[in-house]
Amino acid sequence: KAGVTQTPRYLIKTRGQQVTLSCSPISGHRSVSWYQQTPGQGLQFLFEYFSETQRNKGNFPGRFSGRQFSNSRSEMNVSTLELGDSALYLCASSFSGSSYEQYFGPGTRLTVT
Amino acid sequence: GESVGLHLPTLSVQEGDNSIINCAYSNSASDYFIWYKQESGKGPQFIIDIRSNMDKRQGQRVTVLLNKTVKHLSLQIAATQPGDSAVYFCAENMDSSYKLIFGSGTRLLVRP
Repeated sequence: KAGVTQTPRYLIKTRGQQVTLSCSPISGHRSVSWYQQTPGQGLQFLFEYFSETQRNKGNFPGRFSGRQFSNSRSEMNVSTLELGDSALYLCASSFSGSSYEQYFGPGTRLTVT
Repeated sequence: GESVGLHLPTLSVQEGDNSIINCAYSNSASDYFIWYKQESGKGPQFIIDIRSNMDKRQGQRVTVLLNKTVKHLSLQIAATQPGDSAVYFCAENMDSSYKLIFGSGTRLLVRP
């Protein structure tokens, strides 16, 4: 099976712009979670989607949003980018059965200048 | 590119020795714990998990120990190899959700 794929892998944006990141989960996985990783804050949970519905949300401002499509692919959007949004954004997928095991993609490295 | 903190605690071990990486978790209500390995430029890779109704679980060359009394988790790696060099994160999960709370990580360096 192919793993979790994320596009693009690298992105450079300017303050005030918006950005959309994409994640394709492992085939058959219906839950997709997003995490932000920075040197200062580590790995922090953004949100989780299952069957096109947001099930859980972390403590991030409303500028961070996401959605999931019927094929389980997910996108996250960050509007009005700030310098502090520079981070590695990781997507993880799960089968959503009895295990909470999550499989991560390689991430999208976002740099805001 | 660099994907983890620059000032992580570091454990340096000799190739072939056993490694023990420790983690203190935050919530006594957490019911599921996972260890992840992250190599530079990659996403976290699942190593092993354990539920709160267990004290110990073994995998291939790895063992996870859970001490709920002191909210402590450890990962033991037997016969550490150069390929084990990475940053290791523990993560906890509560209320049967997919929201993982990650620890700050430990960098493991394996000396040849």
